[in-house]
Amino acid sequence: QSALTQPASVSGSPGQSITISCTGSSSDVGANDYVSWYQQHPDEAPKLMVYEVNNRPSGVSSRFSGSKSGNTASLTISGLQADDEADYYCASHRRGVLEVFGGGTKLTVL
Amino acid sequence: EVQLAESGGGLVQPGGSLRLSCAASGFTFRNAWMSWFRRAPGKGLEWVANLNGDGSETYYLNSVKGRFTVFRDNAENSLYLEMNSLRAEDSAVYFCARDLPGVKSTFDYWGQGTLVTVSS
Repeated sequence: QSALTQPASVSGSPGQSITISCTGSSSDVGANDYVSWYQQHPDEAPKLMVYEVNNRPSGVSSRFSGSKSGNTASLTISGLQADDEADYYCASHRRGVLEVFGGGTKLTVL
Repeated sequence: EVQLAESGGGLVQPGGSLRLSCAASGFTFRNAWMSWFRRAPGKGLEWVANLNGDGSETYYLNSVKGRFTVFRDNAENSLYLEMNSLRAEDSAVYFCARDLPGVKSTFDYWGQGTLVTVSS
């Protein structure tokens, strides 16, 4: 059982928008703005997509955006593309434990 | 270009040991916090350990404390994870990653991973 809770799967059609939630607690997601999101295609290295809730690294498409409300963070992907199909993980800093992750969400582009 | 490449994985019996390596290039390695993660079959990512630039500060996941040791050789631009008393539940793909400079709990470059299988 992962420290942060994500839906196991989400799906959407090309061009649509989807949102992946990440629910933690007042000790992690709700305690700070150190929430990040990672994309992982099969047999590839994870890729940082969003950090500090809503910042994008250089080179990441503006179609990816993050937000947070209370103990729940969200990743929204707009204008879905076939290559967005991947596993997505949220992560947060937790007092005393350091880093915690969600169980991952498999995004299927229909 | 930042590159990280893990090696050293393999099949090991329960109770055995293994040392993973992570070769880094494309950035000033000695200045970077570095981390190890793992992804067990059918499960999500899990942070395992990290250390600061000179190796004087190390932190571990509770379940690996006392069994795993993270260390680095800045002259060789290499990060290591020494794993002892391995258990079946340690079976996973292990990744090394660089901590995003100046931003807590964020990892901007990752390796492809190396598979560790603990089984008799």
